[in-house]
Amino acid sequence: GDSVTQMEGPVTLSEEAFLTINCTYTATGYPSLFWYVQYPGEGLQLLLKATKADDKGSNKGFEATYRKETTSFHLEKGSVQVSDSAVYFCALSDLNTGNQFYFGTGTSLTVIP
Amino acid sequence: SQTIHQWPATLVQPVGSPLSLECTVEGTSNPNLYWYRQAAGRGLQLLFYSVGIGQISSEVPQNLSASRPQDRQFILSSKKLLLSDSGFYLCAWRGEGYEQYFGPGTRLTVT
Repeated sequence: GDSVTQMEGPVTLSEEAFLTINCTYTATGYPSLFWYVQYPGEGLQLLLKATKADDKGSNKGFEATYRKETTSFHLEKGSVQVSDSAVYFCALSDLNTGNQFYFGTGTSLTVIP
Repeated sequence: SQTIHQWPATLVQPVGSPLSLECTVEGTSNPNLYWYRQAAGRGLQLLFYSVGIGQISSEVPQNLSASRPQDRQFILSSKKLLLSDSGFYLCAWRGEGYEQYFGPGTRLTVT
């Protein structure tokens, strides 16, 4: 079945460091891929998405490229800020599985000044 | 634009008491709706989803139930809460691009 695997956390970085959070997926069809961010005590916010191979999603300095050959959708940001501290979830939606939406387990990021 | 509301924001209930959490969506019609639970420090667990009024699919057998009495209303209920029901409950609706949009959540503590 479909699934999403993302790197274990927690991740701690200094301000202005480069961020990569790895995400790989397994899907039977042609999924759309997403990154969500959850700030403490809040719901999840859609950060970016990509709907087909080689698409690049970007928002707020974050970006991720849909790599079909490596079944990956890694999240990157060139220079993190303290305000980026949050939990990040990778997710996929596969038309072949109808209404299902698959989430990774989340990666906690803490950025220190 | 579409918005999603959940209430209450926080709730403290004793073991064995009933539960009712409400989710409403504005600005869209006939949305697919979802209930998730997030235990402390954990990922998301899909509990129920609904594709229309009165249509509920359960993903995890438990003492919770869901109902959809109106097109844009989704309710999560329990007759008798367990300690293990504590968590952060999130409602979501599915957009046209199959992305999901989440409400602010309800923090439930069962004592």
